[in-house]
Amino acid sequence: DSGVTQTPKHLITATGQRVTLRCSPRSGDLSVYWYQQSLDQGLQFLIQYYNGEERAKGNILERFSAQQFPDLHSELNLSSLELGDSALYFCASSVAPVTEAFFGQGTRLTVV
Amino acid sequence: EDQVTQSPEALRLQEGESSSLNCSYTVSGLRGLFWYRQDPGKGPEFLFTLYSAGEEKEKERLKATLTKKESFLHITAPKPEDSATYLCVALLNTGNQFYFGTGTSLTVIP
Repeated sequence: DSGVTQTPKHLITATGQRVTLRCSPRSGDLSVYWYQQSLDQGLQFLIQYYNGEERAKGNILERFSAQQFPDLHSELNLSSLELGDSALYFCASSVAPVTEAFFGQGTRLTVV
Repeated sequence: EDQVTQSPEALRLQEGESSSLNCSYTVSGLRGLFWYRQDPGKGPEFLFTLYSAGEEKEKERLKATLTKKESFLHITAPKPEDSATYLCVALLNTGNQFYFGTGTSLTVIP
């Protein structure tokens, strides 16, 4: 157990809908990262937060947004969902941006 | 161009047959290099961090090493439970640029 908690574990929704994925980082970690992993694909970096502020942005679609709250948990919002958004979404956390990150078990999103 | 390349893409070993996985990186300003293990459908599991050339880390049957251009993950006498995809990740000095390798899929046959 990495100490990073993601909810829900599974999510099935229809095209055009909006969902929110939640991540609770390890105790003491200030950085949160979101990644997308499509079937048999590598991890794609979406976005990074550090202590509530956006620090880096990767290939995140405009339909996606995220935030990190004062209690350091983070949410990833996915809207106007398309079939191609079906994937595993991972959250990771680290003490600082330059240290190793620990991953949660992911949320499997299926868009039908 | 900054990039991380892992080889081989896939590796099949007999149980007990030692081997090495390679991670070659061409990035400007490497801050650290991480190794992760990922099982299908699961989140990557952190294994090692290497910060400077010449550094080595060991954990059970795994040993990671770092040079100025590449990193190796040596697997000694592997067991079937070592079967997984092994990921190499380079972190730049900026602290906000990660480069993921595409991974090596390891299968250890009993």
